[in-house]
Formats: sequence, structure tokens, C-alpha cells
Amino acid sequence: AQKITQTQPGMFVQEKEAVTLDCTYDTSDPSYGLFWYKQPSSGEMIFLIYQGSYDQQNATEGRYSLNFQKARKSANLVISASQLGDSAMYFCAMRDFGGNNRLAFGKGNQVVVIP
Amino acid sequence: KAGVTQTPRYLIKTRGQQVTLSCSPISGHRSVSWYQQTPGQGLQFLFEYFSETQRNKGNFPGRFSGRQFSNSRSEMNVSTLELGDSALYLCASSWGDRGQEKLFFGSGTQLSVL
Repeated sequence: AQKITQTQPGMFVQEKEAVTLDCTYDTSDPSYGLFWYKQPSSGEMIFLIYQGSYDQQNATEGRYSLNFQKARKSANLVISASQLGDSAMYFCAMRDFGGNNRLAFGKGNQVVVIP
Repeated sequence: KAGVTQTPRYLIKTRGQQVTLSCSPISGHRSVSWYQQTPGQGLQFLFEYFSETQRNKGNFPGRFSGRQFSNSRSEMNVSTLELGDSALYLCASSWGDRGQEKLFFGSGTQLSVL
């Protein structure tokens, strides 16, 4: 079964600083995808970045980058130059393509950006 | 291009009642999936539909059901509501059913069961 772990407590981040959100996962499937979503107080889940298990390079999307360490089963999200609008819950998720093919989410990390 | 639309936004029901939630995916998207979000359990997968067929189902009791119409719109139904069904129900759509595709989520339906 899939398992995604996000254990960091809520974080306060200074505007314009970088922040790293930790995510570890567990799967026996060699083919899987890792996703990060952001959920502001409005409730909508917003896609941020995707990393496939066979991708050779770490994914980047604007200010978001994913530090993918396959052997350690780690997929940390790095947000550079934090903005006030980055205040939200951040969820790491994984989908086993050969397994049950369901998108499973971690418990999330709360980030508050302060000016 | 309109995003994923979920209706209603808020819903209050009492135990024993049933409820139907609606989801209109992004135009052209054929896959719709549903998730339940609670403070205690987090986000849990309910089911996924592709071209009117249920492709995947989570570990929820039979009181939770869904369907997808030919225009890709989807509904989920919860019968005999329990207090524990109070949650934010999120719908997501994608173009196809390949796992690599990112899901676009709606703002959810907040269900309160009294």
C-alpha cells in the first residue's frame, strides 16, 4: 500500500526567503508519480509540480522545484522567493501506476508567509 | 476556460438523510475522481470515473456511490448520512486516465451532517 509522510509542523516563513517542505513515500511499485498540491483557505487544490519515478532530472515549475532522491524515497518541495500568496497547506501525493493507480495524499504542511 | 465546478458549495443535512453532490469537469476532460477531506483522516480517495465507467474505487462503504454521465459530469451520492460523513468533498478532473496527468480540482462541497 502507498504511504506518504509529511511530518513537519506548521511553518512561518519570511517573505522572499526559500522554504523546503519534506515528503517521504513508500511504495514497492517501480513506476509511480509524485505530485505537490497547494490548498489555500478557499479549499481548492492547486497543482504545483510533478515528478515521474523514471525522470532523470528534478522537476521545476517557476518558483517551485522538487528535490527528488529516489533511493531515499524522498520528494521535497522547494519554494524559492516566498510570497504572501504562498500561505497555504501543501500536500505531497503519489500515484502507483502499476498498483492501485490511486492518488494518495500526505497529511499536509501548513505554511504561513510573513512580511 | 472554466475550471472544475462543484455544486453546491455548502450543504447541511441531518443523520439518515441522503445527499447528492455534483461535479462539472473542465471541458474536454473525461476523467473525474472524488476525494473526501477531513481534519482527522486527511484526503482519501473515493472513486474515479472515465468515460462513464468506474475505473477505481477507494475503501468506503457502499453508502457512497457515484456515476458519470455522457457529458463527463459526475455526481456522487451518500445515503443514510452519518455524523462522520461531515467533510469537504473534492472533485478533480483530467483529460485521460493516465496516471501521469495532473488533476484539476474544484473548490469542493462542504458537507455538514447534524
